[in-house]
Amino acid sequence: AQKVTQAQTEISVVEKEDVTLDCVYETRDTTYYLFWYKQPPSGELVFLIRRNSFDEQNEISGRYSWNFQKSTSSFNFTITASQVVDSAVYFCALMYSGGGADGLTFGKGTHLIIQP
Amino acid sequence: KAGVTQTPRYLIKTRGQQVTLSCSPISGHRSVSWYQQTPGQGLQFLFEYFSETQRNKGNFPGRFSGRQFSNSRSEMNVSTLELGDSALYLCASSRRTSGGIGDTQYFGPGTRLTVL
Repeated sequence: AQKVTQAQTEISVVEKEDVTLDCVYETRDTTYYLFWYKQPPSGELVFLIRRNSFDEQNEISGRYSWNFQKSTSSFNFTITASQVVDSAVYFCALMYSGGGADGLTFGKGTHLIIQP
Repeated sequence: KAGVTQTPRYLIKTRGQQVTLSCSPISGHRSVSWYQQTPGQGLQFLFEYFSETQRNKGNFPGRFSGRQFSNSRSEMNVSTLELGDSALYLCASSRRTSGGIGDTQYFGPGTRLTVL
């Protein structure tokens, strides 16, 4: 069975602080894909990043960076110099390539609040 | 390029009624997946359609069904509505090229269904 755990239900920081959102996943498959999505109050899930299980390179995109570590089954997301516009619910998700359900398995999400 | 569109955005129904939700994927995307989001259960995969065929299905009762048309547009139907069906229903599209497991899914704004 696949599982994604986002242990932080809510995080509140002051603008300009750095913040890391944790994501731990479980899967028996050797080929799988990890994603991060952002859900602002409007409700639409906005795609942020996709990683496959064979690519452990960390990624940086502007103020966003992702740290993928297969050894600890983690795919953490860091926002540097946070801004109020970063306030949203962030979801980590897993998709595996085995037979059966091919949908995304989501974590429960982390509600990030950036205070001015 | 236009994103995923969903209609209607809001819907109010009463118990026992049925409802049909519509989703138009991004142009060129051939796969449409549906998800249910509730405060208690989070985001859960309902089913995926590709080439007018249901390819995968999550753990939902038979009251939840869908279909896909030749232009890749998809509809989701819920019959005999229950109070617990109140949720945000999200549609996502992906290219789903051959062997395209793990393609990024892009989400629409969702349909918020309230069952009274």
